[in-house]
Amino acid sequence: QKEVEQDPGPLSVPEGAIVSLNCTYSNSAFQYFMWYRQYSRKGPELLMYTYSSGNKEDGRFTAQVDKSSKYISLFIRDSQPSDSATYLCAMTLSGYSTLTFGKGTMLLVSP
Amino acid sequence: DAMVIQNPRYQVTQFGKPVTLSCSQTLNHNVMYWYQQKSSQAPKLLFHYYDKDFNNEADTPDNFQSRRPNTSFCFLDIRSPGLGDAAMYLCATSRTGTGGFYEQYFGPGTRLTVT
Repeated sequence: QKEVEQDPGPLSVPEGAIVSLNCTYSNSAFQYFMWYRQYSRKGPELLMYTYSSGNKEDGRFTAQVDKSSKYISLFIRDSQPSDSATYLCAMTLSGYSTLTFGKGTMLLVSP
Repeated sequence: DAMVIQNPRYQVTQFGKPVTLSCSQTLNHNVMYWYQQKSSQAPKLLFHYYDKDFNNEADTPDNFQSRRPNTSFCFLDIRSPGLGDAAMYLCATSRTGTGGFYEQYFGPGTRLTVT
């Protein structure tokens, strides 16, 4: 079993849709959970991070962590064509330890 | 703007011909990382430096080496590239501290092609 599982997609949605992206993980010691966005031929950029279980909202983006289920989610409201990218989940044991990434989910938002 | 810079952005090398990828940062971060990302796969950590302290991941092939001559620069050397080493190579930096969260900042990557 891989440490972090993420459906690679692609996930295609119309503009304005609510998007749900998910990851599962196996290591219960992970404490910090991140979502990175990666545009084609670019490096990943951090969207949001969450410490331990709970929700965090930033504009159209909401991150949820359920440590009891080892399941994390990213919701995008009112999706835009500019949201088309690959979304990578990542997690760490501490705030500055090495990252363990999922494979990424490719999201395509059509106008 | 403070940033992570990678050169070249695209590199073509021949099978078995040594190649060096470079990374520089203006963020003055003490930690630098090298990741390998193959198509539709998760970025895989190859090495990282805490200051000058080198940390090699257990499954990083011996064919890959790294140098960090100073805080700002880090190099990835591939001694004898094989076809399986074709990938995007990402450099990242971060700070460290006694608590809290420290973001990793990624460069744009170098796409390596092996012919």
